[in-house]
Amino acid sequence: GENVEQHPSTLSVQEGDSAVIKCTYSDSASNYFPWYKQELGKRPQLIIDIRSNVGEKKDQRIAVTLNKTAKHFSLHITETQPEDSAVYFCAASKGGATNKLIFGTGTLLAVQP
Amino acid sequence: ETGVTQSPTHLIKTRGQQVTLRCSSQSGHNTVSWYQQALGQGPQFIFQYYREEENGRGNFPPRFSGLQFPNYSSELNVNALELDDSALYLCASSLVTAGTEAFFGQGTRLTVV
Repeated sequence: GENVEQHPSTLSVQEGDSAVIKCTYSDSASNYFPWYKQELGKRPQLIIDIRSNVGEKKDQRIAVTLNKTAKHFSLHITETQPEDSAVYFCAASKGGATNKLIFGTGTLLAVQP
Repeated sequence: ETGVTQSPTHLIKTRGQQVTLRCSSQSGHNTVSWYQQALGQGPQFIFQYYREEENGRGNFPPRFSGLQFPNYSSELNVNALELDDSALYLCASSLVTAGTEAFFGQGTRLTVV
């Protein structure tokens, strides 16, 4: 079955720096790749997603890139702020299914003021 | 905040018992998926319900079962509880049409003692 690996498990950056989180998926049929942010004790919330027909998507300070050949996708956060501190999860699914997600193990991002 | 609500928020059960968790989906959403999130891990897909039938299942034993009702709300039932079933159980609702975001509930924290 599909497997999603996520790195690093923890990431500490200074406020204003950039943060990059990387994921690798195993099933070449996967074609939907969302990123979720989960603050302590709260529900996961979608922050950005990308489908396999595009290589990059950007939304203000957040961008996601996808390399289908290498089966890699990455989350880029620029100009980090303390409120960006949370656990970030990547996920993958097939058939464009937005709710049959295989998640990575998460990255704890700490933005130091 | 999303319109996905789960009950109860916390639950303590004894090993061997049975438990039922409930989820009300966001208005207009016809699909509900359930995920298990162990402490420090990413959510794991349990199964999805669409039109009151199971529509995909992850790597979980048959003692994990579910229901979806005509109003699209859903239940997750777990029989013969084991200590390893202790986790946060999340439901997420969406429209079956590809391209619609999955919205998560706040979860039910189940502790098996």
